[in-house]
Amino acid sequence: NAGVTQTPKFRVLKTGQSMTLLCAQDMNHEYMYWYRQDPGMGLRLIHYSVGEGTTAKGEVPDGYNVSRLKKQNFLLGLESAAPSQTSVYFCASRTQGLGTEAFFGQGTRLTVV
Amino acid sequence: GNSVTQMEGPVTLSEEAFLTINCTYTATGYPSLFWYVQYPGEGLQLLLKATKADDKGSNKGFEATYRKETTSFHLEKGSVQVSDSAVYFCALSRNSGNTPLVFGKGTRLSVIA
Repeated sequence: NAGVTQTPKFRVLKTGQSMTLLCAQDMNHEYMYWYRQDPGMGLRLIHYSVGEGTTAKGEVPDGYNVSRLKKQNFLLGLESAAPSQTSVYFCASRTQGLGTEAFFGQGTRLTVV
Repeated sequence: GNSVTQMEGPVTLSEEAFLTINCTYTATGYPSLFWYVQYPGEGLQLLLKATKADDKGSNKGFEATYRKETTSFHLEKGSVQVSDSAVYFCALSRNSGNTPLVFGKGTRLSVIA
């Protein structure tokens, strides 16, 4: 049972380059999220989706775009990477309902030089 | 808005010591409350949860009680082990609408033998 899978696990980008992070879940969850984790800052929500074809901004959306063309996939794009986007990115998913658990991927460590 | 405040770390304890990590929240209505744990190099995983006032969540010797009167959800364990060394996150989700999980900044726990 794969759960939530993130690709890639590590990446180094040069300033100004673009890339897409892929998140795939096999649990048929409606909700998916992208967070970034920085030292001393905890997890901050970048964008999220409550269903196929819908996305919404989170706490720190600037410099990122997302798409949810298929229910099982949630893509996070960086159009022009900046050193401030150096972080560990986590994808999570959960189903609807009271107090449902969020399942997290293993994370993507991104360094922008 | 919704927010979670948890005690700053790091926390260093000797094996078999008692652990408390404080967590308080601000939210409209009655949220569900969670503790997640992150082991080194991994994503977050659910440790325990509570969905209504006075509920006690428990798992692996950890406990937390949902206290509506003090808006708190403190994590406790009677006797910590070296294997409990990790980062612990308190989180909430509102029980209405599609709002995402909101996390505290995390508390790093180190247990020494």
